[in-house]
Amino acid sequence: GDSVTQMEGPVTLSEEAFLTINCTYTATGYPSLFWYVQYPGEGLQLLLKATKADDKGSNKGFEATYRKETTSFHLEKGSVQVSDSAVYFCALDTDKLIFGTGTRLQVFP
Amino acid sequence: GAVVSQHPSWVICKSGTSVKIECRSLDFQATTMFWYRQFPKQSLMLMATSNEGSKATYEQGVEKDKFLINHASLTLSTLTVTSAHPEDSSFYICSASYRQIEETQYFGPGTRLLVL
Repeated sequence: GDSVTQMEGPVTLSEEAFLTINCTYTATGYPSLFWYVQYPGEGLQLLLKATKADDKGSNKGFEATYRKETTSFHLEKGSVQVSDSAVYFCALDTDKLIFGTGTRLQVFP
Repeated sequence: GAVVSQHPSWVICKSGTSVKIECRSLDFQATTMFWYRQFPKQSLMLMATSNEGSKATYEQGVEKDKFLINHASLTLSTLTVTSAHPEDSSFYICSASYRQIEETQYFGPGTRLLVL
């Protein structure tokens, strides 16, 4: 069946460091791909999405490119801030959302 | 932006009792609501999808008689865990969408259930 695999955390970075959180997927069709973020005490929020191969989703300095050839959708940010500390979930949507296990990001000043 | 609330945020109950969790869309009408369950260090697992005014569609392996879902209005869905047991302890998250307009699901903050 369809599935999402993302790197385990926590990822610990200093402020202004470069961030990469890896995400790969397995799907029989052509899913839309998403990154959700969950800040402490809050619900999941859509961070960015891409609906077809080679699309790049971007928001708040975060980017991810839909790579069909490598079945990947890695999340990147050039310079993280303390306020980016949260749990990040990669997900795919064919007829329902399938989530990865989440990656906790901790950014220290 | 679209806001979804859940109540209660956490609940502790005795084994054998029933617990009701509410999910509300505060500033939009949700034609579809989803219920997820999350175990520690695991991903969110979809339990069921409910459309306003109709019966919920349960995912394979989810007991519909144990997890009763009601979506009586465009802003409220409830999940009732009947005759709860310790293995039902988990984090339950709802989401809501208005699919005629967009596919995006808006998530509630979750409800942590502990069954003693």
